[in-house]
Amino acid sequence: DTGVSQNPRHKITKRGQNVTFRCDPISEHNRLYWYRQTLGQGPEFLTYFQNEAQLEKSRLLSDRFSAERPKGSFSTLEIQRTEQGDSAMYLCASSLGGSWTEPQHFGDGTRLSIL
Amino acid sequence: DAKTTQPNSMESNEEEPVHLPCNHSTISGTDYIHWYRQLPSQGPEYVIHGLTSNVNNRMASLAIAEDRKSSTLILHRATLRDAAVYYCILRGMYSGGGADGLTFGKGTHLIIQP
Repeated sequence: DTGVSQNPRHKITKRGQNVTFRCDPISEHNRLYWYRQTLGQGPEFLTYFQNEAQLEKSRLLSDRFSAERPKGSFSTLEIQRTEQGDSAMYLCASSLGGSWTEPQHFGDGTRLSIL
Repeated sequence: DAKTTQPNSMESNEEEPVHLPCNHSTISGTDYIHWYRQLPSQGPEYVIHGLTSNVNNRMASLAIAEDRKSSTLILHRATLRDAAVYYCILRGMYSGGGADGLTFGKGTHLIIQP
């Protein structure tokens, strides 16, 4: 399978704990995006990378959130001191370039549940 | 940013055509119209995009109104596997959704009856 891979698929943790998610994009895709999706809503953009550079952050990305993409390959999204409101599906997408015609390819997400 | 409006849900029968509408009355001249769909428990999947002319691919057709203020995604022969949430998204200089990421609405929940 050469699609976008996200791990883990599910994460259950207690409020206040730190969690980290991983995304492996399609090979040679230089752009990588993170989104968050809550129940009944469409995905919301969080941040994106071009290669290893993080170029845009949504105001949804609070100080407790940090994302990295070392060497421009896989990416990690870390949430520190998790809160109930962080419960959501976290989706990763990648694309070859960032033109307005370039499709984004999504993984199947990591579902985070905060107890 | 230009916005899109879609019906919350639609229902159709298996093996019949489905027409999913999208209104985007404030679309700018450089905005592309994209459609994605999201099957249950999966991430969104690209379906099709267009600028002015109608477009066809193996998944669907996209019909764009002459004034570009609306568009319709056409599934020519729906199957149960087409049951999903369909999102109409604008991408362009004034709509974001280029390098910034896609702006999803709530989409249309398509229900297919056997």
